[in-house]
Amino acid sequence: KQEVTQIPAALSVPEGENLVLNCSFTDSAIYNLQWFRQDPGKGLTSLLLIQSSQREQTSGRLNASLDKSSGRSTLYIAASQPGDSATYLCAVRLTFGNEKLTFGTGTRLTIIP
Amino acid sequence: DAGVIQSPRHEVTEMGQEVTLRCKPISGHNSLFWYRQTMMRGLELLIYFNNNVPIDDSGMPEDRFSAKMPNASFSTLKIQPSEPRDSAVYFCASTWTGARGRPNEKLFFGSGTQLSVL
Repeated sequence: KQEVTQIPAALSVPEGENLVLNCSFTDSAIYNLQWFRQDPGKGLTSLLLIQSSQREQTSGRLNASLDKSSGRSTLYIAASQPGDSATYLCAVRLTFGNEKLTFGTGTRLTIIP
Repeated sequence: DAGVIQSPRHEVTEMGQEVTLRCKPISGHNSLFWYRQTMMRGLELLIYFNNNVPIDDSGMPEDRFSAKMPNASFSTLKIQPSEPRDSAVYFCASTWTGARGRPNEKLFFGSGTQLSVL
């Protein structure tokens, strides 16, 4: 059974700093991995999707990397801003024929002005 | 596009009552998912549909839960009878799934229904 872990559960950093969020998964035979952002009382917004054949994806100040063999992904946020404060979740999809995503429990990020 | 639309946003009901949650996926998407989120268990997949057909309902907790997708633009999740432990945020999400390696398989979530069963 695939298990997805995100450590730490919460993180606070001063505005302007670069930061890294971690995601690890137990079954390395994944199809793809997504990073999501969730604001309080809201749904999830997909930030980046990495296919199993890719090593990284970038969108603006965000960069997500994937190391399948070690079962790890990181989300790098450059020059953090207060608006980046949210909970960040990663989710893995195992196979092409199965659309099910397994989510991590998330990291609650607070950017201190 | 208006995104995934869920209704109601909030539902407060008494134990034993029937609850129906509704979802309109993004037009053109062919896969729809129902998730439940709680503090204790995080996000759990309840059921998902592909081309209106239920594919995996292994996450549906009990027979009290049922889901339907009568057409490509509408789905319901029903709880009958409801219990206090069903209190959670229920999310609907949709995406397009098809050819292998298609780059844009991001999952789009609705704003959720906050369910409180007293």
